[in-house]
Order: sequence, then structure tokens, then C-alpha cells
Amino acid sequence: QSALTQPASVSGSPGQSITISCTGTSSDVGGYNYVSWYQQHPGKAPKLMIYDVTDRPLGVSHRFSGSKSGNTASLTISGLQAEDEADYYCSSYTSSNTLVFGGGTKLTVL
Amino acid sequence: QVQLVESGGGVVQPGRSLRLSCAASGFTFSSYTMHWVRQAPGKGLQWVAVISYDGNNKYYADSVKGRFTISRDNSKNTLYLQMNSQTTEDTAVYYCARGTFPPFSNALCDYWGQGTLVTVSS
Repeated sequence: QSALTQPASVSGSPGQSITISCTGTSSDVGGYNYVSWYQQHPGKAPKLMIYDVTDRPLGVSHRFSGSKSGNTASLTISGLQAEDEADYYCSSYTSSNTLVFGGGTKLTVL
Repeated sequence: QVQLVESGGGVVQPGRSLRLSCAASGFTFSSYTMHWVRQAPGKGLQWVAVISYDGNNKYYADSVKGRFTISRDNSKNTLYLQMNSQTTEDTAVYYCARGTFPPFSNALCDYWGQGTLVTVSS
């Protein structure tokens, strides 16, 4: 159950778009459309931002979008805002009947 | 509104046991799959275990299999995590989360508690 691979950090200026990648294998990301993305601000609980690769829960801004190609999923945040600065984690269901998270990506809004 | 409140964390010596609880409110607890997810200090999220709505199906991360047991009492709207044979590697904030899990649904955690800190130290 190796963690999914995410970049340690990304950054962008307000108004710009950024993309965070999440790479797994055919046994997790590539094998199922059960990829989710979570936002976590310091000292807070994670918040679900994207599920089933592309779907947004009610109340999540349309600036957040998800996609997947092969074994790599991606989270794109458009129109970057200061409040988007946080840690982001991807997760995927696996063929071993488990969930696996990515190592997390720290987003800095410059 | 959905509320999940974890309790039972604290300092425990290596090799000892601890039981965490998660009190749920604001939704029909007995209809939902529940997860435990942990986060070591300064580290990322790590999935621990999941239990189906009726308690009949349970799955665990390899790192805790055979040592941790997830359970629930739907009459008390409470989720549990029994942690045995603890090591320093189990030091983390433990979150309970409402969610879903295959085969009858997708795989996500849509509401999370605020977490309870478990420190394993001699």
C-alpha cells in the first residue's frame, strides 16, 4: 500500500491556475474512478473537494476541478485565491479493498 | 448538521492498548459507512480502517491489520477503534469520517471530525 505520488509543493499568484498531480498504479488510480481530493488548512480537519475523479460536493467552488488520465489524476484550481492556500491530498480506492492517500501537496498563494 | 466528535486519545506506552470513540449526530448513523484516518505530526493522511453501515464488513490498512479493530454500535450512534500492541509509529491525530466504500458505492470521506491525538511513548 504505497502512498500515491504528489508534488511536495506548488505555488501560484492570485488569479492564476495551478494543477496538482497524483500518480498511482493500475491497481488504484488507473483501475477505478474512485479518486477524491481533500483540502486541509493548518490545524483543521480535511475537507472533501472532489470525488469520483471529477465531481464536486455541494458548496465547493466551481474553481476546483478534477481529471484523470491513465494512472495519474489531477486537481486544477483556477482563479487562485488567498484562501486556497492549504495542503491538498488525493486518495484512491485500491484492488486490495483499501483506501490510499497521496503524500500531500502544499499550495502557496504568492 | 453532521457532527463527529472523537474522544479517547492520550499518552500510552508502547505495547499497551487504547480505545477511541467517535460520537455521531445530525445524520442517520446506521445508514453510513465509517472510516478512521490518521495523521502523524507534520505528516500526511493515512487511511486506517473502514466499516460498513451494518458492521458486517471491515477492511484495514496493512500497517494496523491484526492490531486494530474497528467496530460500531448503531444504537449509540458511536464508532470505535480498538488499538492494541501500539508502537511509536501509531502516534498521530486520529480522525473519524463518514463516507462510502465499494462494492455498493464509491470511496470517499465526506464529513470529518476534528480528531483526537494519540501519543505512544514510554
